[in-house]
Amino acid sequence: EPEVTQTPSHQVTQMGQEVILRCVPISNHLYFYWYRQILGQKVEFLVSFYNNEISEKSEIFDDQFSVERPDGSNFTLKIRSTKLEDSAMYFCASRYRGTGELFFGEGSRLTVL
Amino acid sequence: GENVEQHPSTLSVQEGDSAVIKCTYSDSASNYFPWYKQELGKRPQLIIDIRSNVGEKKDQRIAVTLNKTAKHFSLHITETQPEDSAVYFCAAENSGNTPLVFGKGTRLSVIA
Repeated sequence: EPEVTQTPSHQVTQMGQEVILRCVPISNHLYFYWYRQILGQKVEFLVSFYNNEISEKSEIFDDQFSVERPDGSNFTLKIRSTKLEDSAMYFCASRYRGTGELFFGEGSRLTVL
Repeated sequence: GENVEQHPSTLSVQEGDSAVIKCTYSDSASNYFPWYKQELGKRPQLIIDIRSNVGEKKDQRIAVTLNKTAKHFSLHITETQPEDSAVYFCAAENSGNTPLVFGKGTRLSVIA
């Protein structure tokens, strides 16, 4: 069964460093998302991406964040200058249509020291 | 934007008993309501969903009910088993217009 895959599974970085989290959505999916989950809290929407552009973003997704789909398979989240409060599990998700089941990756745990 | 409230935050039940988790949403235009199960350290996975043109949906031991007028929906798990222990998230969206917004989650513990 096709799955969303994410790398790295865990990244530790120093405050102020840039981080890139990578995702490979399910191949025929057209809508891509990043969510984050601070330990023990709810899953929070960051950004959605469709047709090679951001379709919606939350207040969390400020100028420090960016997303890219550099080729036909990868979907990346970049955090330009990490802060302590960026420590969280980041989930990539995709779906074929703009509604219906969202398929999540296993997540990338980011720890900012 | 949409706001989803979920209760209770934790729930313990004896194996074989039923569990009910409730959510309310704020945006009357929301029309898609999924429930996700997240086991410890794993990704959230869809267990059941319902659209606003339906009042109830059932899949074996799991059912979801929707009250559009009151803007609330509930997850019902019958004959609970230890493997049902997980965190359950409700979510809501206005399909194609707003992203999926999640509730804070309910940690369900099924005691054998």
